Amino acid sequence: AAGVIQSPRHLIKEKRETATLKCYPIPRHDTVYWYQQGPGQDPQFLISFYEKMQSDKGSIPDRFSAQQFSDYHSELNMSSLELGDSALYFCASSSSPLPGRDYEQYFGPGTRLTVT
Amino acid sequence: QKEVEQNSGPLSVPEGAIASLNCTYSDRGSQSFFWYRQYSGKSPELIMFIYSNGDKEDGRFTAQLNKASQYVSLLIRDSQPSDSATYLCAVGFGGGTSYGKLTFGQGTILTVHP
Repeated sequence: AAGVIQSPRHLIKEKRETATLKCYPIPRHDTVYWYQQGPGQDPQFLISFYEKMQSDKGSIPDRFSAQQFSDYHSELNMSSLELGDSALYFCASSSSPLPGRDYEQYFGPGTRLTVT
Repeated sequence: QKEVEQNSGPLSVPEGAIASLNCTYSDRGSQSFFWYRQYSGKSPELIMFIYSNGDKEDGRFTAQLNKASQYVSLLIRDSQPSDSATYLCAVGFGGGTSYGKLTFGQGTILTVHP
């Protein structure tokens, strides 16, 4: 079965540079989520999109922005990178959540970002 | 205090035994509960989800939910060395204002030794 696709898989940037991470959800999934996972940490929710609209926002720095496009893929844009931004960035997708339940989120393989 | 707490690990069980993983959550409005398995350096893999009180079985895995006690657990029967991983409990609030956002516990490292 098709899974969530993320690109690039690895990215090395220097401080103050910008980075763009891409996510292609599972076909027919219309909701995309971004999570950040630092070493030894649990995934932290950053932001989500449903039908191309931002649906929820978590602990995402102001230096980061994201959007979902008409084909449902999403991009996470990160500017003024800091050493602390080094982490695994996961995208997950699901069918649209309904009041009273969430649909299961399936994670992509992640992008490992290293800021030097 | 974290919103989602998991029993402290690491947890070590012999091959063939039952591994029991526990999770408590603080928000009574939580609606959806998930267990993910994560191997080192890999992405979380969904292994179980449960929405209603009671037990849910899928192969060697059983999830148990008790909303009154704000408790969810995962049992792994006939544990195999390949089950050795970090198990993440995740909680969702069922759409509405927190649209599908999941809050994760800190994870429990499980080691199954031959």
